[in-house]
Amino acid sequence: DADVTQTPRNRITKTGKRIMLECSQTKGHDRMYWYRQDPGLGLRLIYYSFDVKDINKGEISDGYSVSRQAQAKFSLSLESAIPNQTALYFCATSDSGTGGSGANVLTFGAGSRLTVL
Amino acid sequence: AQRVTQPEKLLSVFKGAPVELKCNYSYSGSPELFWYVQYSRQRLQLLLRHISRESIKGFTADLNKGETSFHLKKPFAQEEDSAMYYCALIRGSGNTGKLIFGQGTTLQVKP
Repeated sequence: DADVTQTPRNRITKTGKRIMLECSQTKGHDRMYWYRQDPGLGLRLIYYSFDVKDINKGEISDGYSVSRQAQAKFSLSLESAIPNQTALYFCATSDSGTGGSGANVLTFGAGSRLTVL
Repeated sequence: AQRVTQPEKLLSVFKGAPVELKCNYSYSGSPELFWYVQYSRQRLQLLLRHISRESIKGFTADLNKGETSFHLKKPFAQEEDSAMYYCALIRGSGNTGKLIFGQGTTLQVKP
């Protein structure tokens, strides 16, 4: 079983619809992140959470919201989807320590491909 | 502002040829840099980090503060090295886990 699981893997929706992308992890990591990947732009951070009570905006949070329902679950919502939110979305986790598997080493999910028509 | 630049979208080499994937960064402090790789149908995963000073799958990367570069190198490319490679920099200082990624370079190793 995958350590970081994203659902759905693929979704096509229409402009104006509400969409939720879900992420769950079995790594036991405190920290979770949502990134967006666009061709030619790399990955950009949308939101991140260092624990259940901590939610922070990343560099491109407009139009998105998140919920950290539990240590293992972090969902990303698009309240009213628009076509330029068409992208591949990645959830990632990390622990909070230093060293080889520390906070700066991310474990990624397989990605959720979202198409907004 | 902190930024990571990978100037090549695509790098195509023949098997056995040397490979150098370029990465330049802008950061005023002491940077922590990484290379992440995404093989076909696999997840994005850490390849190496500069503080570890290790060689992974024959790849090495040296931090050059004077040139603000962290190029990824391998002396003899293999077909299985074909993948998308991302250079990344930690945003801010400390163990934040917030990475700034470059645009990515697709490495294509031809037989």
